[in-house]
Amino acid sequence: NAGVTQTPKFQVLKTGQSMTLQCAQDMNHEYMSWYRQDPGMGLRLIHYSVGAGITDQGEVPNGYNVSRSTTEDFPLRLLSAAPSQTSVYFCASTPGAPNEKLFFGSGTQLSVL
Amino acid sequence: GQQVMQIPQYQHVQEGEDFTTYCNSSTTLSNIQWYKQRPGGHPVFLIQLVKSGEVKKQKRLTFQFGEAKKNSSLHITATQTTDVGTYFCSTGTASKLTFGTGTRLQVTL
Repeated sequence: NAGVTQTPKFQVLKTGQSMTLQCAQDMNHEYMSWYRQDPGMGLRLIHYSVGAGITDQGEVPNGYNVSRSTTEDFPLRLLSAAPSQTSVYFCASTPGAPNEKLFFGSGTQLSVL
Repeated sequence: GQQVMQIPQYQHVQEGEDFTTYCNSSTTLSNIQWYKQRPGGHPVFLIQLVKSGEVKKQKRLTFQFGEAKKNSSLHITATQTTDVGTYFCSTGTASKLTFGTGTRLQVTL
């Protein structure tokens, strides 16, 4: 099993550009989520999904969109990139209760100039 | 949502010394998870605690959940260079985990 696969690993954008970060998992997990990691701030939840067709906002959703058309895929869209979105992005999945273990992808390092 | 505070932010130890990181909350927590992130890597799940006063061990790592379920600790006995990384605590449900800011551990020979 590949687990959670994220692409790309690195990306540089100009302010105002849009892009999609891809995330796929092959473990048949119902729950998927996106986090951003900034120095000294831990991981902050952007959006999450409890199953195909169901998404909701996390702590820092502004400037991002998500969709969950299948159990496997959970792409994150940056609508109009801003320098404040420079960060490392992690996708994660989990089967859910009783074990709240998150499986993380390897991350995408995004720079917005 | 629930918030957790982690201390210290950073600790530098000599190999063989012990290390402890603490996770504290002002509210009662339903659970605590601990993750380790190596430099340049992604967080990797270590353990989950759910019961008041629970203690779990993994080799040199000891995890505790406070009696009031408002704090937790991770203790590493006799650190090794392989323990280098950032340790995060988190709490919540599968769809909404809240992470602490992490404790970065540096181990030197």
